[in-house]
Amino acid sequence: EDQVTQSPEALRLQEGESSSLNCSYTVSGLRGLFWYRQDPGKGPEFLFTLYSAGEEKEKERLKATLTKKESFLHITAPKPEDSATYLCAVLDYGQNFVFGPGTRLSVLP
Amino acid sequence: NAGVTQTPKFQVLKTGQSMTLQCAQDMNHEYMSWYRQDPGMGLRLIHYSVGAGITDQGEVPNGYNVSRSTTEDFPLRLLSAAPSQTSVYFCASRIGGRNYGYTFGSGTRLTVV
Repeated sequence: EDQVTQSPEALRLQEGESSSLNCSYTVSGLRGLFWYRQDPGKGPEFLFTLYSAGEEKEKERLKATLTKKESFLHITAPKPEDSATYLCAVLDYGQNFVFGPGTRLSVLP
Repeated sequence: NAGVTQTPKFQVLKTGQSMTLQCAQDMNHEYMSWYRQDPGMGLRLIHYSVGAGITDQGEVPNGYNVSRSTTEDFPLRLLSAAPSQTSVYFCASRIGGRNYGYTFGSGTRLTVV
């Protein structure tokens, strides 16, 4: 059975203080790993897809990386508007899509 | 494109009442799913569909019913609402058979009293 865990559960950063969020996964066969951002009261919004170990994707202050067992979402010099819950999910070869519980990020001015 | 549209945004039901949450997408996506999101539990899959006329159960299907008569619409029915069904419900769709992620609707916040 596919499993996705995320750490930490919650993270508070000062504006400009860089950090990383972790997504660890166990999957029968990985077709893709996805990162989403979710703001309070809204649906998850797609950020990145990673397909193979060693792959990296960047968008503004965010960079996602992938290894065979985990993915990291690196946040460089975050701003208060980066505050949100960040979800990761895996898609396996059976077309099963499994989400992790999320990391709640707060960036203080 | 509107993407994935959910209605209503908010709903309060009394225990035992039934209702239908509506979901429509205009992207011609084959796959559609319903998730519920509860504090500390993450997104849990209720039911999903891989195409018109095909539905299947997810992780937490009890108390819910779905149908998929068209590619665009995927309504979720609560048969007899219970307080345990108080949650935020999200509908999502994606292209079938490819390694693409889901596009989500904005959610329905349901309270059962």
